[in-house]
Amino acid sequence: QQQVKQSPQSLIVQKGGIPIINCAYENTAFDYFPWYQQFPGKGPALLIAIRPDVSEKKEGRFTISFNKSAKQFSLHIMDSQPGDSATYFCAASSAGGTSYGKLTFGQGTILTVHP
Amino acid sequence: ETGVTQTPRHLVMGMTNKKSLKCEQHLGHNAMYWYKQSAKKPLELMFVYNFKEQTENNSVPSRFSPECPNSSHLFLHLHTLQPEDSALYLCASSQEQVNSPLHFGNGTRLTVT
Repeated sequence: QQQVKQSPQSLIVQKGGIPIINCAYENTAFDYFPWYQQFPGKGPALLIAIRPDVSEKKEGRFTISFNKSAKQFSLHIMDSQPGDSATYFCAASSAGGTSYGKLTFGQGTILTVHP
Repeated sequence: ETGVTQTPRHLVMGMTNKKSLKCEQHLGHNAMYWYKQSAKKPLELMFVYNFKEQTENNSVPSRFSPECPNSSHLFLHLHTLQPEDSALYLCASSQEQVNSPLHFGNGTRLTVT
């Protein structure tokens, strides 16, 4: 019930394409859904996050779509660029308890954007 | 220097060795974390410290021993590790607030021979 399932494992698109990465969860107590971006040799960095009271959040070229009834959320990257090539992780957590950073991560998606 | 700094970046150790990983954050955060990142697996939370007190031990084997002397420093002491412990070990910090984002270091790549 604590798992977050992420797909696909890898994704290759051409520059300008719109890669979509999907995540699904079971734990209905989750109420915070961040996406992290990780470049080779670097630690993950927060990209964008959403709460379940909204169905969509957009920051620049990155959009999260959230479907509470289906317990699914996805990341869309508009007008993708080669510099977006990285590993993307979805995650989820609940606000309860004292462990604020206790994120449950998906397995990650390796995105490659060809020029 | 800003952010979260981890040393060393790479570590190779035998199964009988004892070594330590170090993490330092310059962000004024109150919570610090150790995560394990293995190939093709989700990041796994190992330990959480809030205000220097350990609040989470995610069933981690005793061959991993964390230490948090103050809110800016975090160590992971390693002894008698197994080859399957080879992974990227990531330190992170955050404010002790709901949904405060994690700030990760660049990790220590550990290889156990």
